[in-house]
Amino acid sequence: DAGVIQSPRHEVTEMGQEVTLRCKPISGHDYLFWYRQTMMRGLELLIYFNNNVPIDDSGMPEDRFSAKMPNASFSTLKIQPSEPRDSAVYFCASSQSGASETQYFGPGTRLLVL
Amino acid sequence: EDQVTQSPEALRLQEGESSSLNCSYTVSGLRGLFWYRQDPGKGPEFLFTLYSAGEEKEKERLKATLTKKESFLHITAPKPEDSATYLCAVKIQAGTALIFGKGTTLSVSS
Repeated sequence: DAGVIQSPRHEVTEMGQEVTLRCKPISGHDYLFWYRQTMMRGLELLIYFNNNVPIDDSGMPEDRFSAKMPNASFSTLKIQPSEPRDSAVYFCASSQSGASETQYFGPGTRLLVL
Repeated sequence: EDQVTQSPEALRLQEGESSSLNCSYTVSGLRGLFWYRQDPGKGPEFLFTLYSAGEEKEKERLKATLTKKESFLHITAPKPEDSATYLCAVKIQAGTALIFGKGTTLSVSS
């Protein structure tokens, strides 16, 4: 299995631009999570989906952030407009419902907003 | 408020010098406690899940233990390749996200 796939791996953009991050979960997994990691705050949940339906978006910072999961194999996280404080590493993770529900993480997208 | 605290923030060891990392948690309920390893520039890599107090799991030089209030990750005779950030996380109930601690960065020198 290829694991969780994220793209792009690195993104540098200017303040005010739209940024779209992409994620392909592990095949067969029914949960998908978006996390953000910073030095100050560590890993924090932004939003998660179950069977393509958003379950908890309480971690989304503000209306500039939006996430979609149009099908079981693809999700996007969009920031519009981007701001320098959005600079962080964004991780996507997926898991399968059941006894363990272990989350498996992608390699992350390192975002720098200038 | 559900909270996970890891200590120390950073730990420097000599090769072969055993030690332990701590993860204490204050949660409304515990579905599972997870340990991950994260190398620079990479995503967290799953190590262990512990479900109940008294449970222990081992993998090579690592052993994780769980009590009602904390978990320890014991590293026996570490090697330089064990250098990484170790993250602890808890799941409160089924079908929810993980709550992470801020991690312990371990450096092992030869």
